[in-house]
Amino acid sequence: ETGVTQTPRHLVMGMTNKKSLKCEQHLGHNAMYWYKQSAKKPLELMFVYNFKEQTENNSVPSRFSPECPNSSHLFLHLHTLQPEDSALYLCASSHPGLAGYNEQFFGPGTRLTVL
Amino acid sequence: GQQVMQIPQYQHVQEGEDFTTYCNSSTTLSNIQWYKQRPGGHPVFLIQLVKSGEVKKQKRLTFQFGEAKKNSSLHITATQTTDVGTYFCAGRGGGADGLTFGKGTHLIIQP
Repeated sequence: ETGVTQTPRHLVMGMTNKKSLKCEQHLGHNAMYWYKQSAKKPLELMFVYNFKEQTENNSVPSRFSPECPNSSHLFLHLHTLQPEDSALYLCASSHPGLAGYNEQFFGPGTRLTVL
Repeated sequence: GQQVMQIPQYQHVQEGEDFTTYCNSSTTLSNIQWYKQRPGGHPVFLIQLVKSGEVKKQKRLTFQFGEAKKNSSLHITATQTTDVGTYFCAGRGGGADGLTFGKGTHLIIQP
């Protein structure tokens, strides 16, 4: 599936580095999401954007900074991360709707390792 | 905040046996979705349930939404090796745009 793409697929960074994750969707959706998936926790919703506006921020530390320049692109800017931030970061998109009655299409994820 | 509990965490079955995973929410849900994630892959949408007491079938998969809209189940009849993966339920409630996912049930099939 190529509906939602994410780059890079793998990223290793030090705690003092600054990097960005990119997500692009080709499905004509207007809602985009960032999730964190780590081994011992459920899939955690981080941010929600509807029509480029952030509508949810689930108490995510400020070292994660999202950016949504248009409905097709979503970025996650990373700086001064901690080793416990190592995880699979998944981007998803959907049609927005009342109370979100729409399936989400996930990208392949970026496997992040923080040293 | 909203919590979605899912059991069991792991389930080993012999090929051909049935499999069920259960999902319970701490709050009433507006809808519930189910996803499957193959090893090394990403979650893929299976189905959405909206109505109280709703039952939907997809071939060997049966999905149910409880009458109180706080629990759900996924049942697979006669499992096949292609069913291997992690099955997640995800609920939406309280007007939130995002989904709250359960921890998932890892289905391991022994031939």
